[in-house]
Amino acid sequence: GAVVSQHPSWVICKSGTSVKIECRSLDFQATTMFWYRQFPKQSLMLMATSNEGSKATYEQGVEKDKFLINHASLTLSTLTVTSAHPEDSSFYICSAREVRTSVGATGELFFGEGSRLTVL
Amino acid sequence: AQKITQTQPGMFVQEKEAVTLDCTYDTSDPSYGLFWYKQPSSGEMIFLIYQGSYDQQNATEGRYSLNFQKARKSANLVISASQLGDSAMYFCAMSHTSGNTPLVFGKGTRLSVIA
Repeated sequence: GAVVSQHPSWVICKSGTSVKIECRSLDFQATTMFWYRQFPKQSLMLMATSNEGSKATYEQGVEKDKFLINHASLTLSTLTVTSAHPEDSSFYICSAREVRTSVGATGELFFGEGSRLTVL
Repeated sequence: AQKITQTQPGMFVQEKEAVTLDCTYDTSDPSYGLFWYKQPSSGEMIFLIYQGSYDQQNATEGRYSLNFQKARKSANLVISASQLGDSAMYFCAMSHTSGNTPLVFGKGTRLSVIA
């Protein structure tokens, strides 16, 4: 089945630095990818929708200048946490759906392995 | 707007017994999909089962079945013959089926299987 790969799995950084997380669809093309954030013992909250070749769509309350999303190709989206602070420490997870035109957009949403960010 | 409600923060079940995890939803869209995901402590999201709003029959996948009651807007997950490895967080989610839309998740239920 379709696979989404995310890298890195774990990252620890100093406050004020920037961190880039990559999300790749390995065997299908994804014009749209979704980025979620999950704080400990909480649910997944949608941060933004990443659109290939155009600007990302951010959810209310998510700072677009802090969480930079780039979807440069049909198989790669990146999330950059700029000037990270301890409150940005969280589990970030991306997802993509293999859209089959014969079935429509009801297909399974595949998730990456997630990236656990710790900002010291 | 879509909303998913999972009212059980935690559930316990004896090994080999069946357990039902509750999920209710709210949407004004007549065409939608309902999903259940399992999240072990490693964090990965494991797809379990899917139910489309127009599906006539309840979805089943091995030991997982979805009790879909459209009029009540509920989509409960039933796990039969629980195993120790079933201990994890379980999330109910939904999305529109028109366009490539994201999933909206419930708060989750932590299932603990007891030997």
